[in-house]
Amino acid sequence: DARVTQTPRHKVTEMGQEVTMRCQPILGHNTVFWYRQTMMQGLELLAYFRNRAPLDDSGMPKDRFSAEMPDATLATLKIQPSEPRDSAVYFCASGPGPFGGQYFGPGTRLLVL
Amino acid sequence: SQQGEEDPQALSIQEGENATMNCSYKTSINNLQWYRQNSGRGLVHLILIRSNEREKHSGRLRVTLDTSKKSSSLLITASRAADTASYFCATFEMGNQFYFGTGTSLTVIP
Repeated sequence: DARVTQTPRHKVTEMGQEVTMRCQPILGHNTVFWYRQTMMQGLELLAYFRNRAPLDDSGMPKDRFSAEMPDATLATLKIQPSEPRDSAVYFCASGPGPFGGQYFGPGTRLLVL
Repeated sequence: SQQGEEDPQALSIQEGENATMNCSYKTSINNLQWYRQNSGRGLVHLILIRSNEREKHSGRLRVTLDTSKKSSSLLITASRAADTASYFCATFEMGNQFYFGTGTSLTVIP
């Protein structure tokens, strides 16, 4: 049963620290998405990749956030420096094609103190 | 930002009843998708309907799409307690933009 995996599942850090979240998409999926979910803003698309190339990162605060896909089995989302307003659940999702359904990982719950 | 908006925001029904939730969006789309999210979990893809389709079925789910009204509805028939979750519509725009709606929280009372 193929699944998207995310690490860590939970992260508590102090303001100003760097946070790195990792995602392993389902093997064979060529599209990877990063989302952030909060009660206030709901589910926001931060960035997405197709065949490891970034297609859209307009939803991401670029001064502190960066997203990369070093290879087809790993996507990373970094926040440096982190701020309390970054506290949220961050989801990674992958899909077999550009317009199809997405398979979500379990999320990383981030708390920045 | 979100393009889709679900209605109602919250819905509570008895087990066995049907649940209907609606989604409205603003621009032209390639397709519209519905997802379910159980508390504290990731989203699960339920069904995808393309812009040239009007209705689609999957098990107890029925989705309709009216592109002239820019709206979609999700019907869950013969609801079960296990259907309790939040339901989101998501639209894939022609310009490769992807948006999730605000969600409908469904509670099915046993």
